[in-house]
Amino acid sequence: DAGVIQSPRHEVTEMGQEVTLRCKPISGHNSLFWYRQTMMRGLELLIYFNNNVPIDDSGMPEDRFSAKMPNASFSTLKIQPSEPRDSAVYFCASSSRDRASYEQYFGPGTRLTVT
Amino acid sequence: AQSVTQPDIHITVSEGASLELRCNYSYGATPYLFWYVQSPGQGLQLLLKYFSGDTLVQGIKGFEAEFKRSQSSFNLRKPSVHWSDAAEYFCAVGGMEYGNKLVFGAGTILRVKS
Repeated sequence: DAGVIQSPRHEVTEMGQEVTLRCKPISGHNSLFWYRQTMMRGLELLIYFNNNVPIDDSGMPEDRFSAKMPNASFSTLKIQPSEPRDSAVYFCASSSRDRASYEQYFGPGTRLTVT
Repeated sequence: AQSVTQPDIHITVSEGASLELRCNYSYGATPYLFWYVQSPGQGLQLLLKYFSGDTLVQGIKGFEAEFKRSQSSFNLRKPSVHWSDAAEYFCAVGGMEYGNKLVFGAGTILRVKS
């Protein structure tokens, strides 16, 4: 099992640019989560999907953030336009809702730096 | 709403000493409880989980945790710490009433001194 795959692993961009983060969940998992981790705020849930449908996006900071899951094996988190305060590590995680134990498996993260 | 408290931000133990990391949760029904570990520059790795049955659960890397409903706690333990255990540890709670969303604690950073 390849685990959760995220790309890129590192992204450095200038303020105002569009940033797209990508995630491939574990095959067979039907829930996908996007988190943001910073020193100040810790680990925050941004949005999660069940069966490709967004269930809870209350953690998305503002309209500059958007997430999609066009199919069961791919999701994107987009920031447009990016700002320096968006600098953080973004994690994707997946789980199998059918197993009723709900443990999440995390990807390695994307470290985003906005200058 | 569910919540998780990890009272210790930092803990330092000597290599070979025992370890206990505290976790208290707030949840109205039967919780699902998890411990994750994050090494520097890495993602979170599941150490162990509890969702029913035996209240003492064994995990990877020699860790164990005990669910105590009366104390709303799920403390993580290891009898003898190795230098490679230095990392940040997160407790998380979930449950059927909240879908499969987990709430994470703020984390405890473990330092191991030789």
